[in-house]
Amino acid sequence: DTGVSQDPRHKITKRGQNVTFRCDPISEHNRLYWYRQTLGQGPEFLTYFQNEAQLEKSRLLSDRFSAERPKGSFSTLEIQRTEQGDSAMYLCASSLLGSGQKNTEAFFGQGTRLTVV
Amino acid sequence: DAKTTQPNSMESNEEEPVHLPCNHSTISGTDYIHWYRQLPSQGPEYVIHGLTSNVNNRMASLAIAEDRKSSTLILHRATLRDAAVYYCILRVYNTDKLIFGTGTRLQVFP
Repeated sequence: DTGVSQDPRHKITKRGQNVTFRCDPISEHNRLYWYRQTLGQGPEFLTYFQNEAQLEKSRLLSDRFSAERPKGSFSTLEIQRTEQGDSAMYLCASSLLGSGQKNTEAFFGQGTRLTVV
Repeated sequence: DAKTTQPNSMESNEEEPVHLPCNHSTISGTDYIHWYRQLPSQGPEYVIHGLTSNVNNRMASLAIAEDRKSSTLILHRATLRDAAVYYCILRVYNTDKLIFGTGTRLQVFP
């Protein structure tokens, strides 16, 4: 297993366009998370899934953002009508939470850097 | 979400031990203390976590104060590869989201 992979690594788009990012978690990991990171800041939680169910969404996730994990494997994050403020690194992470486990480590991908011009 | 406080930056020389402090005075009894680090142009990487007792793994040691209001990440012999931003995070029992602060930027000099 090569870890969490994200595609594309870089995306430049014009303001107003829609973009979609993909995340492939570590196989058999049942939890998948999306974070956003701007320069000089730590990552900010956006949302997470357990299998195909989206369990929590941050208030940061405006109506223009939507995330899916249709078959409980890969996930997509779509941003509609992009704005310059959406420019950031979008990070995906996955973890395996088994029965009886209280805390597990999350494995992060290398991220997708979005630039909105 | 409980908050952590870390110094903005620290410096070390190669092969010396590094002690990275973290204050978390509002920690609750069920919060776990997690440490992640982020190398340049990489996603964060898990380092270690603990609840009450000190913990050791191949990467580092975690020393937790008796009152749990502070903790220290210990790198026993810093290498150039350890230069990164280190995040101290409180993770609520049985939830999965990580609430990152701004972390401590560690510089390691040869």
